[in-house]
Amino acid sequence: AQSVAQPEDQVNVAEGNPLTVKCTYSVSGNPYLFWYVQYPNRGLQFLLKYITGDNLVKGSYGFEAEFNKSQTSFHLKKPSALVSDSALYFCAVRGFYNQGGKLIFGQGTELSVKP
Amino acid sequence: DVKVTQSSRYLVKRTGEKVFLECVQDMDHENMFWYRQDPGLGLRLIYFSYDVKMKEKGDIPEGYSVSREKKERFSLILESASTNQTSMYLCASSSPAEDSIEQFFGPGTRLTVL
Repeated sequence: AQSVAQPEDQVNVAEGNPLTVKCTYSVSGNPYLFWYVQYPNRGLQFLLKYITGDNLVKGSYGFEAEFNKSQTSFHLKKPSALVSDSALYFCAVRGFYNQGGKLIFGQGTELSVKP
Repeated sequence: DVKVTQSSRYLVKRTGEKVFLECVQDMDHENMFWYRQDPGLGLRLIYFSYDVKMKEKGDIPEGYSVSREKKERFSLILESASTNQTSMYLCASSSPAEDSIEQFFGPGTRLTVL
């Protein structure tokens, strides 16, 4: 069965410090991996994706994520956090054999960046 | 940019009412999805559609139905609303092309059933 785990419900970071939001996955075959961000009372915004190729993927707003096949992880990172990065972050996976483009989402991680 | 719109941002209905949530996308996407989002449970897929008039059940289809008569429009129907259907409802669309398979989301409809 396909699944995604975000082990931390909340991550707290000081502004200017690096941030990491963790994600691990379980899927048959090669995974397609995604990160989304949600601001209060808004829909989800796409940040970045891994399909194939370079394990380090760069996305919107200075975020990047590293695909690690051996650890089945796809952690989201940013070198220097901003207060405006405070939001809810979702990791999602789609299996290679998936029909219809369905994604499996993690539970979400609340990121709080303090000044 | 892809634009996905939902008919209402906030909706209040009474138990037993029939509720229609509408979603429209403007990028000619084949795939469309309805999710509900609840605190601590993430996003759960209700129904999805990969073509006009085609629909597939997601993880939690009970109490819901859908309609897709046109490619750009995907409707979610609550036949008889219940209080446990109070939630945030999110619509999304995507292309089946391998290099652009990410889903694009609407702003959401926060439904309260009294």
